[in-house]
Amino acid sequence: DSGVTQTPKHLITATGQRVTLRCSPRSGDLSVYWYQQSLDQGLQFLIQYYNGEERAKGNILERFSAQQFPDLHSELNLSSLELGDSALYFCASSPGTENSPLHFGNGTRLTVT
Amino acid sequence: QKEVEQDPGPLSVPEGAIVSLNCTYSNSAFQYFMWYRQYSRKGPELLMYTYSSGNKEDGRFTAQVDKSSKYISLFIRDSQPSDSATYLCAVNSGYSTLTFGKGTMLLVSP
Repeated sequence: DSGVTQTPKHLITATGQRVTLRCSPRSGDLSVYWYQQSLDQGLQFLIQYYNGEERAKGNILERFSAQQFPDLHSELNLSSLELGDSALYFCASSPGTENSPLHFGNGTRLTVT
Repeated sequence: QKEVEQDPGPLSVPEGAIVSLNCTYSNSAFQYFMWYRQYSRKGPELLMYTYSSGNKEDGRFTAQVDKSSKYISLFIRDSQPSDSATYLCAVNSGYSTLTFGKGTMLLVSP
């Protein structure tokens, strides 16, 4: 068990809808990362937060947004969902220091119908 | 050219075989190298983490980095059916985020 908790495990929703994915990092970790994994693209970095502040942004669509709260948990909001947004969404956490490896949760499987 | 490339496999071996998994990367700024193992429907699990060129061993696993060739390898000795998973290499350059290969699927048959 990595110590990173993600909810829900599965989400099925319709196109055009909005969903929120939640992540609780490992105890003591200040940094949270969101990744999207699809069969053809592999693990794609979306966004990173460190102690409540956005630190780095990757291939995140404008329809997606995230935040990290004072208790360090994070939420990823996906809106105006499209069929192509169906994927596994992973949260990872780290202490946020240089070169620290990431520890991943077990993901949220999103299916857009 | 993709930043990190891996052969997707699947790589099928019999139990007890030595497995070699490989990645190449394009950016010489990458200094930190990791291998993750991902079982079906699970998150990636950190296996090995190394900085320098050379070998790092942990039990049945050995990570090897050749910075001059931009080539990283993971060797698994005495492979077990429980090693069947997708293996992802990842690289970064300090505070930057990890860049992952697409993963190699390994199947170890009893």
